[in-house]
Amino acid sequence: NAGVTQTPKFQVLKTGQSMTLQCAQDMNHNSMYWYRQDPGMGLRLIYYSASEGTTDKGEVPNGYNVSRLNKREFSLRLESAAPSQTSVYFCASSPDDRYSYNEQFFGPGTRLTVL
Amino acid sequence: EDKVVQSPLSLVVHEGDTVTLNCSYEVTNFRSLLWYKQEKKAPTFLFMLTSSGIEKKSGRLSSILDKKELFSILNITATQTGDSAVYLCAVKNSGYALNFGKGTSLLVTP
Repeated sequence: NAGVTQTPKFQVLKTGQSMTLQCAQDMNHNSMYWYRQDPGMGLRLIYYSASEGTTDKGEVPNGYNVSRLNKREFSLRLESAAPSQTSVYFCASSPDDRYSYNEQFFGPGTRLTVL
Repeated sequence: EDKVVQSPLSLVVHEGDTVTLNCSYEVTNFRSLLWYKQEKKAPTFLFMLTSSGIEKKSGRLSSILDKKELFSILNITATQTGDSAVYLCAVKNSGYALNFGKGTSLLVTP
């Protein structure tokens, strides 16, 4: 039982390049999330997926797109990377719906640098 | 707009000291408050609090919620160097996402 896994662990991009961050969970959770963490800013929600087939914007969605490929996988795409997207990206999942009292489980993170 | 404020932002203590970390919030449709510990990598879950006045305990860590005054505290007694980490407070409203504070960075020195 690996929990939440993310690939890659580290990535360096040049401005304007594109890439996709992958996330998978093996806990049969319905909801999945993408956060970014910047120094002094805490974790901020980029996008989330309440269930398979649905996605919604979070606090800081500009410059990103997401795909909920199936129940297990939730990817985050940067179409044209900018230096302001240099950050640590965390994927998370939780068992069920908005009315639940369950915690979110986090992946190990992807450290992205955009030059 | 929902707001979660943690204090202090950073703290340095000696091994054996007791520390209290604070989290205040302004959230519409409050559901729960969560504490996470983050050491270099992924945040790991510590506690979830939903009711006022009920203390949650795990070893040397404990936490309590005051829904009237809108705050929570996380206590760590007899601190050890392994307690050095960033402690994150997050609040869940009736939506899906967690609203995080900026964290308290705790350094425990030998």
